[in-house]
Amino acid sequence: NAGVTQTPKFQVLKTGQSMTLQCAQDMNHEYMSWYRQDPGMGLRLIHYSVGAGITDQGEVPNGYNVSRSTTEDFPLRLLSAAPSQTSVYFCASMSAISEAFFGQGTRLTVV
Amino acid sequence: GNSVTQMEGPVTLSEEAFLTINCTYTATGYPSLFWYVQYPGEGLQLLLKATKADDKGSNKGFEATYRKETTSFHLEKGSVQVSDSAVYFCALSGDTGGFKTIFGAGTRLFVKA
Repeated sequence: NAGVTQTPKFQVLKTGQSMTLQCAQDMNHEYMSWYRQDPGMGLRLIHYSVGAGITDQGEVPNGYNVSRSTTEDFPLRLLSAAPSQTSVYFCASMSAISEAFFGQGTRLTVV
Repeated sequence: GNSVTQMEGPVTLSEEAFLTINCTYTATGYPSLFWYVQYPGEGLQLLLKATKADDKGSNKGFEATYRKETTSFHLEKGSVQVSDSAVYFCALSGDTGGFKTIFGAGTRLFVKA
């Protein structure tokens, strides 16, 4: 049972480049979310989705886009990378009883 | 809005010592409360949960009790092991924000042999 799969695990970008972080889950969860983790700041919610075709902004959405065309996939797009977006990114899906399942994370460095 | 506050780390203990990591929350309704653990290089995984007042969550020797009167959900373990070294996150979900999960800043635990 794969759970939540994120790719890539590591990425280095130049300022201004764009890229997409992939996230897929095989648990048929309706709710999915993206967080960024920075030292001393815990996890901050970027965007979330309550089902296919429905997305909404979280706490720190600027500079990021999401889409949800299927229940399984929830990609995060960085439009024009900035050094402030250097972080570890986690995708999570949530069960009906609010338990979150996390991917292994993507460590992104923007130079 | 909802929030979670947990004690700052790092916490350094010797093996077999007693562990407490404090967590308090602010919520307008009746959220579910969680503790997640993150081992180096990995994502978070659920450690234990409690869904209503006075519930006690437990797993792998860890316990936490949902105290509505003090809005707290402190994590405890009677005898820690080196393998418990990790970052621990307190979280709430299922309040008026629906499925949104709010995390504390995390507490890093080091256990020395």
